[in-house]
Amino acid sequence: GEEVAQTPKHLVRGEGQKAKLYCAPIKGHSYVFWYQQVLKNEFKFLISFQNENVFDETGMPKERFSAKCLPNSPCSLEIQATKLEDSAVYFCASSQSLEGQPRIGENLANYGYTFGSGTRLTVV
Amino acid sequence: QKEVEQDPGPLSVPEGAIVSLNCTYSNSAFQYFMWYRQYSRKGPELLMYTYSSGNKEDGRFTAQVDKSSKYISLFIRDSQPSDSATYLCAMSYTGANNLFFGTGTRLTVIP
Repeated sequence: GEEVAQTPKHLVRGEGQKAKLYCAPIKGHSYVFWYQQVLKNEFKFLISFQNENVFDETGMPKERFSAKCLPNSPCSLEIQATKLEDSAVYFCASSQSLEGQPRIGENLANYGYTFGSGTRLTVV
Repeated sequence: QKEVEQDPGPLSVPEGAIVSLNCTYSNSAFQYFMWYRQYSRKGPELLMYTYSSGNKEDGRFTAQVDKSSKYISLFIRDSQPSDSATYLCAMSYTGANNLFFGTGTRLTVIP
């Protein structure tokens, strides 16, 4: 499809519970990114994938966060033992390239990253 | 110091005004520059994409890049209430692993 589909839209978890978020990237996009958006709109990069392979995970708090992009399955971001400070909107994005230049076609739709609508995680 | 700085606003203008949004950056390697618009409770959507320096125009929107000053701008002409959103600048370079975002400027266009 031509949109990045994220589920669920909202997720409420008690502190210490597990949270799992899903993302279906656009077909033909080789790269998938997860960002965390907290107060004041700050976008924090978490992890990127090139197809099924982790490309860059320097933004991930590895002790509790994990992510996968397996063939023929939505990508997932999992948080074990959630904390209050994990409350945020988690955005998934996909792209044809890391820097947002298209590999195929010059349509503006192929530039940049295409973002999903996000999953709002509330940890109580 | 953050690599990309953006005034968070908020910015309120009357309908029909010209809006100027700006970002500064510190990394001279940046060569791809983007402006995203984000409506409340939605994901960012790409508005403009510029490579290197210069201007780009698309309808009521004009993006400018001044690499010598490390400064980018987005101008919105004849602003409409539907332009009310948060505008995020983002940038990258060949070899970067992801996009670098500004914090966003919240714009309200008052009818």
